[in-house]
Amino acid sequence: ENVLTQSPATLSLSPGERATLSCKASQSLSSSLAWYQQKPGQAPRLLIYGASNRATGIPARFSGSGSGTDFTLTISSLEPEDFAVYYCQQRRNWPETFGQGTRLEIK
Amino acid sequence: QVQLVQSGAEVKKPGASVKVSCTTSGYTFTDSHIHWVRQAPGQGLEWMGWINPYSGGSNYVQKFQGRVTMTRDTSITTAYMELKTLRSDDTAVYFCARVGYDSGAFDLWGQGTLVTVSS
Repeated sequence: ENVLTQSPATLSLSPGERATLSCKASQSLSSSLAWYQQKPGQAPRLLIYGASNRATGIPARFSGSGSGTDFTLTISSLEPEDFAVYYCQQRRNWPETFGQGTRLEIK
Repeated sequence: QVQLVQSGAEVKKPGASVKVSCTTSGYTFTDSHIHWVRQAPGQGLEWMGWINPYSGGSNYVQKFQGRVTMTRDTSITTAYMELKTLRSDDTAVYFCARVGYDSGAFDLWGQGTLVTVSS
């Protein structure tokens, strides 16, 4: 199983600051990694696919980078609505897996 | 409107079965696989498996083999996930999700169905 390890578990920042979230895979994924945002009581929302492609309607402050085993989600300047839990996901290897999540909280 | 709408919350006793529906609209049902993901209270996302609405073929994570069945009814563009022999640790919100043709990721999700297993 391709284990995805996200860090940090919790990130405390203020609006306007830059957020950097990490996702490390135990096996190479090439660029086959997606990022999702989930708010309490809601379904996850696709942010990034193919490691660096923004999904439809996602603001430009969200960007993804990386390949192989190391991936990063960056939020350039945090808006109040960005405080949520973020998950990475791989669909390249069986079984498909999610990271354990990073909680982005207001400092 | 492109959407996935799931059935309502369920309360089941241990050993019972539950069948959750995911009704799709606004796109061609048979064009995209439907996946099922669950989330236990306060926990992360756990992938369960998928169904191909075109062929009816499916594949499940080994952990659920023998207990889960994913089916579809193309006449009403609805996918189903049935989980049998429920245990208390099956208590979770169950989501269906569509694979986007361009993204290859889960670009559309149902609202989630809370299944509570309690005696």
